[in-house]
Amino acid sequence: AQTVTQSQPEMSVQEAETVTLSCTYDTSESNYYLFWYKQPPSRQMILVIRQEAYKQQNATENRFSVNFQKAAKSFSLKISDSQLGDTAMYFCAFMKRWYNNDMRFGAGTRLTVKP
Amino acid sequence: EAGVAQSPRYKIIEKRQSVAFWCNPISGHATLYWYQQILGQGPKLLIQFQNNGVVDDSQLPKDRFSAERLKGVDSTLKIQPAKLEDSAVYLCASSALRDRDADGYTFGSGTRLTVV
Repeated sequence: AQTVTQSQPEMSVQEAETVTLSCTYDTSESNYYLFWYKQPPSRQMILVIRQEAYKQQNATENRFSVNFQKAAKSFSLKISDSQLGDTAMYFCAFMKRWYNNDMRFGAGTRLTVKP
Repeated sequence: EAGVAQSPRYKIIEKRQSVAFWCNPISGHATLYWYQQILGQGPKLLIQFQNNGVVDDSQLPKDRFSAERLKGVDSTLKIQPAKLEDSAVYLCASSALRDRDADGYTFGSGTRLTVV
């Protein structure tokens, strides 16, 4: 079974600074996707960034980038130039590729961006 | 395009009562998911539909939870009778089969259920 672990329940960062959220996962699969979702108080899960396991290049989306270490089964999210609107819960998620399987989520990290 | 619609947004019921949640996925999305998110935890899959057929309901407490997706579009999730531990946010998500692997899911805003 796949498990996703986020070891930082809460983090805070000053506006305009950089913060890194950690995620590790456990799987025997070789083909899979990894995601970071943001959940603001509105509760809607918003896709931040995704990584395909077969790609060695780390994904980037504007101020968001990941450090994907496949051998170590690590998938951290770096947020640069943090903004007040980045305050939210962040969930790391795993999904097998090529199967009709569900997305497995970690317990989340609550990020607070301070002015 | 319109997002995933869910209603109601909030619901408070007494234990042993019944409750139903409704979800309207993005038009054309074949796959629909119901997740339960207990406070302080990540979402956990309850049931997955593809069109109007059930793909996975292994984590659905079938003695009290039921779900259906008539005509492969809207879906309802029902709890009867509710227990205190059912207090959670119930999230609906959908994905187009062709996009499932690429972009993950599109989520609704969820229904927050409080059982007292």
